Amino acid sequence: DVKVTQSSRYLVKRTGEKVFLECVQDMDHENMFWYRQDPGLGLRLIYFSYDVKMKEKGDIPEGYSVSREKKERFSLILESASTNQTSMYLCASQTGGLSSYNEQFFGPGTRLTVL
Amino acid sequence: ILNVEQSPQSLHVQEGDSTNFTCSFPSSNFYALHWYRWETAKSPEALFVMTLNGDEKKKGRISATLNTKEGYSYLYIKGSQPEDSATYLCAFSTGGNEKLTFGTGTRLTIIP
Repeated sequence: DVKVTQSSRYLVKRTGEKVFLECVQDMDHENMFWYRQDPGLGLRLIYFSYDVKMKEKGDIPEGYSVSREKKERFSLILESASTNQTSMYLCASQTGGLSSYNEQFFGPGTRLTVL
Repeated sequence: ILNVEQSPQSLHVQEGDSTNFTCSFPSSNFYALHWYRWETAKSPEALFVMTLNGDEKKKGRISATLNTKEGYSYLYIKGSQPEDSATYLCAFSTGGNEKLTFGTGTRLTIIP
């Protein structure tokens, strides 16, 4: 079974802090994604990566950066956390190049609260 | 940004009843339609990936249909059980190398 793990289930940070959210997948998937989920808005794509050291902006990249130094790990970075970044963050991975025929496998999510 | 709509937003169904809900998407430039189930405190899990007009997929008591010409997909659950309680997400793509755009989900609660 594909396993996607995220470093924390719950996280509380203060405004202005630098925040790292880690995601690891164990199935050698090429593609990895970071989403945030807010009530009434559905999953929105922040960044994605289709190869090591490659990254592409999603729909809402402002205030975020990412790092993919190894194939299995995709990190989301909040350079200076703000209260409007309080949200549920989901990581996903996918195989098969960038084909949207392939399902995405999700981690359990990190609920981040920025005070 | 593509608009993917799901209705209803939430639904309460008596155990044993059947139910269905809708995902609407732009009918132009269709490539793939995904359905995911997201149970509380768990990870979203893929149910179906649908690509052809008229596609029907089935997994146990859950099935889905696809109409790409009119831009909608239905998800059906037959004989609802408490374990079916979850948020059901659909996601749409316009191309093989394009990202998925997700709807806001239908939150289903099964009443024992």
